[in-house]
Amino acid sequence: GESVGLHLPTLSVQEGDNSIINCAYSNSASDYFIWYKQESGKGPQFIIDIRSNMDKRQGQRVTVLLNKTVKHLSLQIAATQPGDSAVYFCAERVEDSGAGSYQLTFGKGTKLSVIP
Amino acid sequence: DAMVIQNPRYQVTQFGKPVTLSCSQTLNHNVMYWYQQKSSQAPKLLFHYYDKDFNNEADTPDNFQSRRPNTSFCFLDIRSPGLGDAAMYLCATSGLLNTEAFFGQGTRLTVV
Repeated sequence: GESVGLHLPTLSVQEGDNSIINCAYSNSASDYFIWYKQESGKGPQFIIDIRSNMDKRQGQRVTVLLNKTVKHLSLQIAATQPGDSAVYFCAERVEDSGAGSYQLTFGKGTKLSVIP
Repeated sequence: DAMVIQNPRYQVTQFGKPVTLSCSQTLNHNVMYWYQQKSSQAPKLLFHYYDKDFNNEADTPDNFQSRRPNTSFCFLDIRSPGLGDAAMYLCATSGLLNTEAFFGQGTRLTVV
């Protein structure tokens, strides 16, 4: 089930089940989105990305869906494994106006706990 | 091999004593970011460099400064650390055409 903790919502799933992690983003000008996985004490690791001109992208065991109408992203993990336990963040990229570079802003994370 | 390297991994500093965290990259990326991450929270962007151009977030305290002497290195200077500055500090890089940002392992700062 899903619960909201003090800061991070938590999603608990049984090993082998599929997981769906959701993210709302804020800026309609964002042109690119990334999902990161962060294990305790480590930096975020890239999982999958999607450009704003797409609505779905698949990787190995992971799928990202983008709904620009409601500014919503989801990450689907198939056959969730204990090694998938981590905090997952979505990030959105927005071009700095006129500067030619980009800001990368993180959304609130979700802690995924996999029950063996 | 690590492509974004942060040193040290753990840093303990005294309240009010200036401290510098370092980041180096082997990717030759134009953009370097510094984030602050507190426990159970998302990384918060402090500032970023596009080449030598510095971009500060509006709500980043003046206590935080940064230097980028060349493409490979970027430093985060905290002039007078307070207890509230204890956090994990993450450095990331990205190329202008490559959009993925690569993160270092972070420096965990403790203020005593």
